[in-house]
Parts: sequence; C-alpha cells; structure tokens
Amino acid sequence: GQNIDQPTEMTATEGAIVQINCTYQTSGFNGLFWYQQHAGEAPTFLSYNVLDGLEEKGRFSSFLSRSKGYSYLLLKELQMKDSASYLCAVEDSNYQLIWGAGTKLIIKP
Amino acid sequence: TAGITQAPTSQILAAGRSMTLRCTQDMRHNAMYWYRQDLGLGLRLIHYSNTAGTTGKGEVPDGYSVSRANTDDFPLTLASAVPSQTSVYFCASSDGGDPDTQYFGPGTRLTVL
Repeated sequence: GQNIDQPTEMTATEGAIVQINCTYQTSGFNGLFWYQQHAGEAPTFLSYNVLDGLEEKGRFSSFLSRSKGYSYLLLKELQMKDSASYLCAVEDSNYQLIWGAGTKLIIKP
Repeated sequence: TAGITQAPTSQILAAGRSMTLRCTQDMRHNAMYWYRQDLGLGLRLIHYSNTAGTTGKGEVPDGYSVSRANTDDFPLTLASAVPSQTSVYFCASSDGGDPDTQYFGPGTRLTVL
C-alpha cells in the first residue's frame, strides 16, 4: 500500500528553527510537495522537490532523499503566523497526489 | 482574480437527502479534483477530471458523482447522503505544468445528520 508518515504535532518557539519530517512509501515517485494549511482554510503550495537535495525559498527550505524515501521542511526564524498544519504529498506513478495527515505546528512566544 | 470558488461554505444535511457541492475556477486549468479532509487523515481524492468532458475515480468515490461539462465548473453530487460523508470538501485545480501544482478552493464543511 501507499503510505506517507509525518509527526502529528510539533511545538517550537518564535524566532527558532524547526524541521518537519516526512517519510513515504508509494507506488512510483514523480515529485514531493509541501503545503501549508491554516486552521479553517485551504492548503496553499509551499515547495516542490523532484531531485535529491535542498530547495530554498526564503525562510522555508525543503530537502529530499529519494533513496531513503524521506523529505523534510525546514522553517527558520519562526513567526507566530507560521502556526499551521504542514502537509506532505507525493505524486505517484499515476500522477495522483498521496497526502500525509499533516503536522500541526504550534509556535509559542 | 477569484481563483477557485466553492459553494456553499457550510451545510447541514439530513441523511438520505441529495446535495450538490459547487466548484468554479477562472484560471482555465484543465485538471480539477475533489478531496475530502477528515481529522487525522490526509486529503483523500474522491474524483478528478483531467479535462472537460472526462472524469475519473479517486481513492474514495463511492456515494459521490461528478460531471465536467466545461472547463470552469466541476460539481460534486451526493445522491443520498450518509453520516460518514460528514467532512470538509476541497475542490482543487492544476494547469498540468511542471510541477503540476494544485490550487485549492476555500472548502465546504458538510455535516450529515
């Protein structure tokens, strides 16, 4: 079967750095997406990885290791507005997205 | 630009009744999707459409139907609602680019009693 694993919840302090991990087992791999979802709102696109390595976008970076079936999202200089759920999704061999349950990130002052 | 709109925002429905959730996009995206999101579970694909006139079944299609008469609209119909269909429903679209990023509507919160 297909499986995406993420921690259910994480807590971090404003101004700090947090790493959210995602491991996956899917039938095929055509890319990995990270989305941000604030409570009661729609998911919004954050980043995409298809090759091994790090993609940096301002305060957010995403890393992929295809051989290990592993990705992480790194958030730097945390702000209170970063409190949200972070969703990992893998595009499988049918080009459909398989979604993890999401990691709820709580930022404390 | 409106992007993707969904209606209604929320609805309480009696079991056994039918309902259509509406989704409209103005980005001229070819592909559209319907997901449901339940606590503790990832988004699950109900139905999708790669282009106007075609539809396909996702992971959890039972009890739902869709149509795609034109590029902009992708309604989701529950023919006879059951309590297990209580969920938040998201419509999304994508333009087939590389990456094929999906953009989501604001969602419809449906409660079936």
